[in-house]
Amino acid sequence: NAGVMQNPRHLVRRRGQEARLRCSPMKGHSHVYWYRQLPEEGLKFMVYLQKENIIDESGMPKERFSAEFPKEGPSILRIQQVVRGDSAAYFCASSPRETGGPQMKLFFGSGTQLSVL
Amino acid sequence: KNEVEQSPQNLTAQEGEFITINCSYSVGISALHWLQQHPGGGIVSLFMLSSGKKKHGRLIATINIQEKHSSLHITASHPRDSAVYICAVRDNYQLIWGAGTKLIIKP
Repeated sequence: NAGVMQNPRHLVRRRGQEARLRCSPMKGHSHVYWYRQLPEEGLKFMVYLQKENIIDESGMPKERFSAEFPKEGPSILRIQQVVRGDSAAYFCASSPRETGGPQMKLFFGSGTQLSVL
Repeated sequence: KNEVEQSPQNLTAQEGEFITINCSYSVGISALHWLQQHPGGGIVSLFMLSSGKKKHGRLIATINIQEKHSSLHITASHPRDSAVYICAVRDNYQLIWGAGTKLIIKP
């Protein structure tokens, strides 16, 4: 059973380009979370999705950022017109069940390092 | 004051030593995670705790809910244990992360 798969591992973009980050949750997991780790900082929650639904996007910047988790295929975090401040490691986690309660275990991907030139 | 405090920030030890990393938090939580971040940046979830103690191989994690404190122990430490260890407390799906403890085990 493969773990949470993120790709690409490293992504380099020039200012103004679009970045697409992919996350395939573990088999059987229908809940996906995206986190961003800025240099010298801890991870910050961005968005929580279930299949075809955005449950909570309170941590997502209001502009240029969007996320989806379609019925088929991976979850996509999309950043339009990237700026240098978007350079960070983006981590995805999945869980097999609904939020809340002590039994929800998160499984993390290895992350995508986005570098904006 | 940070909501999650880890100590020490940096720890260097000799191979074979018993390692303890501490985590104190000031918020209400539904669970506490111990994670390991390797130099390449990848994050591995080590433990999720809501009470008591868990053991996996040479790793032991404990939590005291009343005192709002958790510890991660490594027995018979090995150079491959060198990494950043992160304590993160969870309220629902929001995670609050500690600053991490950078551990270096010398052969």
